[in-house]
Amino acid sequence: DIQVTQSPSSLSASVGDRVTITCRASQDIRNDLGWFQQKPGKAPKRLIHSTSILQSGVPSRFSGSGSGTEFTLTISSLQPEDFATYYCLQHRTFPYTFGQGTKLEIK
Amino acid sequence: QVQLQESGPGLVKPSETLSLTCTVSGDSISAYYWNWIRQPPGKGLEWLGYIYSTGRTNYNPSLQSRVTFSVDTSKNQVSLKLTSVTAADTAVYYCTRELQYWGQGTLVTVSS
Repeated sequence: DIQVTQSPSSLSASVGDRVTITCRASQDIRNDLGWFQQKPGKAPKRLIHSTSILQSGVPSRFSGSGSGTEFTLTISSLQPEDFATYYCLQHRTFPYTFGQGTKLEIK
Repeated sequence: QVQLQESGPGLVKPSETLSLTCTVSGDSISAYYWNWIRQPPGKGLEWLGYIYSTGRTNYNPSLQSRVTFSVDTSKNQVSLKLTSVTAADTAVYYCTRELQYWGQGTLVTVSS
């Protein structure tokens, strides 16, 4: 299985901050990586697919980049509604595998 | 707008079979991949596998052949069966259309 290591596991930040979350895959997954946001008690919501393609309706402050084995999710200016847990998912090889998650908290 | 709704027993006894249904409204289930994801309480997400609308499947080997997915196009439903459950199978189970549209999830607790 491809291991996906996500960092940091938690992050404290303030409204207006720029934050970056990283996922590293144990093998080359080309650009087959997505990012999901999950709020407590809710289903995950896909923000980005194929590394950098923003899902319709997702604010442009979210962006994704990377290729191969290293990927980043950047939130350019944190808004109050962005405090949540974020997961990456590789869908290059079966079984698909998620990162461990990053809990983004208000400082 | 496509909507997904998981349903099934909230409590299953150890060694028994967990059965869930995902009812899809707002669009046909045809020509899509339907994934199942689960999340143990307080933990991360696990991909269980997918079924295509024709019935083609791909399962996570971690489930060791305990899992079966099916589709019923006449009812616009996809289903999951997981046999020989243990406490480790306690989780919120989600169905999702191609990881874009998600159900709200249903909590299944395995306990005697």
